[in-house]
This record gives sequence, structure tokens and C-alpha cells, in this order.
Amino acid sequence: DTGVSQNPRHKITKRGQNVTFRCDPISEHNRLYWYRQTLGQGPEFLTYFQNEAQLEKSRLLSDRFSAERPKGSFSTLEIQRTEQGDSAMYLCASSRTSGYYNEQFFGPGTRLTVL
Amino acid sequence: GENVEQHPSTLSVQEGDSAVIKCTYSDSASNYFPWYKQELGKRPQLIIDIRSNVGEKKDQRIAVTLNKTAKHFSLHITETQPEDSAVYFCAAIPFGNEKLTFGTGTRLTIIP
Repeated sequence: DTGVSQNPRHKITKRGQNVTFRCDPISEHNRLYWYRQTLGQGPEFLTYFQNEAQLEKSRLLSDRFSAERPKGSFSTLEIQRTEQGDSAMYLCASSRTSGYYNEQFFGPGTRLTVL
Repeated sequence: GENVEQHPSTLSVQEGDSAVIKCTYSDSASNYFPWYKQELGKRPQLIIDIRSNVGEKKDQRIAVTLNKTAKHFSLHITETQPEDSAVYFCAAIPFGNEKLTFGTGTRLTIIP
């Protein structure tokens, strides 16, 4: 499968614990995005990278959230001191950069449940 | 920032009939409008998109129309089939921006 992959697919944690998710984009894609999706809602933008540079962060991304893409390939999203309100599906997407606008390809997501 | 509204939230149609989902957007700078289909437990997948220099685009049984003046765009699915059952999301993005703003989704159910 050469699509976007995410690990783990499911994560259950207790409130106050730290969690880290990984996203592997399509290999030739230099843009990588993180979205959060709660039940019955559309995905909400969190942040995006072009290569290793984090170019935009949403106000949704509190200081408990941090994302990295150290070598411009895979990315990690860490949530510190998790809260029940962090329970959601975390989606990663990637795209190429070539002129106009390019389709964002989504991964299967990591479903986080905070107890 | 951009705000996208989507209607209806649920839609049931008889197999073979047509389905229409409507979205409105607020930012006149938005110029790219993709539609994603998300089946239960699966990733969102692009099914069709339209750019602001085009009024209509068709791909087999699905079509999208765009009215820039009114700031609304619609998805049309004809000859619906059971495999069309899914949640559909519209989205908008302004030129030079990388942030997709999604609507709240429409759960489409095709009744055999």
C-alpha cells in the first residue's frame, strides 16, 4: 500500500498521560497536514508542514500539542497531559507542491480515546 | 477565516434516484472546492473537485456545480447505488492557503 499510513490506528489512554502518533506520507509528497475529526463533524485543520518546516498552526493546537517532521518525511503529533476533550480521530494527509492546488490524500487516522 | 455550511445532514434516497448535497462558503477568496466521501471507519477520499474558474464539472454519475456570486456549490449523484451510501464532506480553500475548511458532512443512505 503506497498511500498515507498512520500508527497506531487506535489508542486508549488515561487522562493526564502523553500520547504520540505517527504519520508516513506518500513518498514524493512534501506537504503534510494534521486534522482532527470528532463524531459527526468534518475534519478540522490543526497544522501543516512543507518539508520539515511547520508553516501554519491552528488555534485548536494548544500548547499541549506539538508536531514535528524532522527530516521532511514522517511526522509525529504528541499530545501531553491528555484531556477527555482530546478524544477524536486524528487524520494525517499529504500532497505535492506543483503550482496550483493539489489533492490532499488522507491516511486512515488514529482514533484516540481518553478515559 | 473560511466557514463552510453543508445541508442536509442526513439524506435517504431510493436506489436509482438522484441525490443533491449543498454547501455554502463565506470567504470570497476561496477558489478550490473538493468533495470527499468517507465510508464507515475509512479515510476520506476525494471524489470530485472544482476550481473557481469553472461552473460545472462532471465525472460519470457525479457532478459538482459552483455559483461564485452566491458562494454556493453542490454535489449531484445520479442513478444512486447502494455503494454510494457514506458520509460526504464538502470543503473550501482560498488561493495561497493550505488549510481545507470542511462542512459538517451529509450522511447519505441509499435504500435498495
